[in-house]
Parts: sequence; C-alpha cells; structure tokens
Amino acid sequence: ELKVEQNPLFLSMQEGKNYTIYCNYSTTSDRLYWYRQDPGKSLESLFVLLSNGAVKQEGRLMASLDTKARLSTLHITAAVHDLSATYFCAVDVDSNYQLIWGAGTKLIIKP
Amino acid sequence: NAGVTQTPKFQVLKTGQSMTLQCAQDMNHEYMSWYRQDPGMGLRLIHYSVGAGITDQGEVPNGYNVSRSTTEDFPLRLLSAAPSQTSVYFCASSGTGSKKFYNEQFFGPGTRLTVL
Repeated sequence: ELKVEQNPLFLSMQEGKNYTIYCNYSTTSDRLYWYRQDPGKSLESLFVLLSNGAVKQEGRLMASLDTKARLSTLHITAAVHDLSATYFCAVDVDSNYQLIWGAGTKLIIKP
Repeated sequence: NAGVTQTPKFQVLKTGQSMTLQCAQDMNHEYMSWYRQDPGMGLRLIHYSVGAGITDQGEVPNGYNVSRSTTEDFPLRLLSAAPSQTSVYFCASSGTGSKKFYNEQFFGPGTRLTVL
C-alpha cells in the first residue's frame, strides 16, 4: 500500500526557533510537493521537488528531497507567527496523475 | 487567468436533496480531481479525470457522480445528500498541455457543504 507519513502531526513552537517537519513515503518516486493551508482557506503550492538532492528555499522555509531514503524535510528557520498553518506533503507516483497525500502537520507559532 | 474556480462557496442541504458543485479551470489542464477534507482526515480523493470524456473513481466515490464533457469543467454531483457528506470540497487541476513534466496541482477555493 502506498503511504505518505508526516511527522509530527501537530507542532507548537515559539517564534525564533528552528524546526523540521518530516515526510516519509513508501514507494519509489522522485517528485514531491509541499503545500500550505491557512485555516479556512484552500491549499497553496509551496515547493516542487523533482529529483534526488533537490533543495528549494523561500524565505524562512527550506525543503529538500532524498529519494533513496524516501524522505523529504521542510525546515523552518527562526519561525515567525505568519508561518502558522497546516503543511501537507504529496508524492507523485508517476503511474497516473494522482498524488498520494500526507495527513498534514498543523504548525502553531507562538509569539 | 482565474485559475481554478468553484461555486458555490457555501451550501446547506437537507438530507436527500441533490446538487451539483461546479469546478472550472482556464489553464488547459488535462487532469482534474475532487477531494473532500474533513477534520483530522486530510485530503481524500473522490473522483478524478485525465481528460475530457474520461473519469475514474478515487478513494471515496460513493454518493457522488462526475462527468467531464469539456477540458475546462468538472462538476461533482451529490445524488442524495447525507449528513456524512458534510465536508469541505476542493477541486484541483494539473498538467502542462500535451507534455506532462510534473504534477503540481492547483486548488480551487473550496465549497463548504453542510447536510442537515
């Protein structure tokens, strides 16, 4: 069974701290996506990772992909309140257009 | 470029009523899908389409129908609404015309449906 597991599922942290969200998946894939969802809103694409070793950065967020370990990380540097949201990873299994989604990580950043 | 649009934004139905959630995209994407999102359940795929005239079932298709007569539109029909269908529904699309490089999906704003 294809699985995508995110951890932690919930994270409460202080502003200024660093933390990492992990996304493990159970099938071979070299394409992984990170999305952000604000409360009551839709999903917004954050990062598209298309090969082993891919690293993308946007502001205080950095995402990386290790296809051999079947692992992607989303690293938050010096967190600020505006980054509070739920973050989803999704894996592209290449057999069709479907994505396999993680359950999401709800991130709360306290002032 | 409007992206992916959905109507209505909110809807309240009574048990047994039927309705259609509308979804349209103007990016010439071949792939479109419907998800439902429930608290603590993440995203669950209801139906999807890889092109006009082609649809298939996802993880939770029961109680829903879809059709894809054009590239742009992908409506979702609730046949006889049940309280268990209370949820937030998202439509998404992806594709790059005839060349599929990768599958970044773009989401509509969502429809919040309550079934009483």
